Amino acid sequence: DAGVIQSPRHEVTEMGQEVTLRCKPISGHDYLFWYRQTMMRGLELLIYFNNNVPIDDSGMPEDRFSAKMPNASFSTLKIQPSEPRDSAVYFCASSFARGGQETQYFGPGTRLLVL
Amino acid sequence: LAKTTQPISMDSYEGQEVNITCSHNNIATNDYITWYQQFPSQGPRFIIQGYKTKVTNEVASLFIPADRKSSTLSLPRVSLSDTAVYYCLVGDTGRRALTFGSGTRLQVQP
Repeated sequence: DAGVIQSPRHEVTEMGQEVTLRCKPISGHDYLFWYRQTMMRGLELLIYFNNNVPIDDSGMPEDRFSAKMPNASFSTLKIQPSEPRDSAVYFCASSFARGGQETQYFGPGTRLLVL
Repeated sequence: LAKTTQPISMDSYEGQEVNITCSHNNIATNDYITWYQQFPSQGPRFIIQGYKTKVTNEVASLFIPADRKSSTLSLPRVSLSDTAVYYCLVGDTGRRALTFGSGTRLQVQP
């Protein structure tokens, strides 16, 4: 398996622009997570899905952020409009949880810079 | 959610055994303990997971005492490539909202 695939790997944009990050989870995994990592705040869980349904979006910073999972093999995280404070590395992860045990597999991340 | 406390940083030399301890005093009955490793510019990578006693795999060992209020990740004979940040997580997949915390930055020197 190719693992979790994220695109783009790097994104530079200007404040106010819309940014869309993409994720393809590992085939067969039923959970998908979006994280954000910064030096100041560390690794934060933004939202996660189970069987394509958003379960907990309490970590989404504000209404400018939205996430969708139209099918089991694709998810997007959108920021509109983007702001400089959104600059971070965004990770997507997927997992297959059974019996209380779980391993999350992370993608390589998208490094976002908002100017 | 069970809060975890681990040292901010540790230093070691190649060939030594490294033990990183994590405290999780309010761990719940259904919680598992999981450790992840993160290299610069990469996403975290699963190392090991356990519920009680001892778990060993090809990479590390995880020691969990009977009260489960702490756990120790043991890395045998570390090499320079083990330099990374190590995160201890405690959670139940049913609750899902795992918190990574600040992790332990391990620096291995030659």
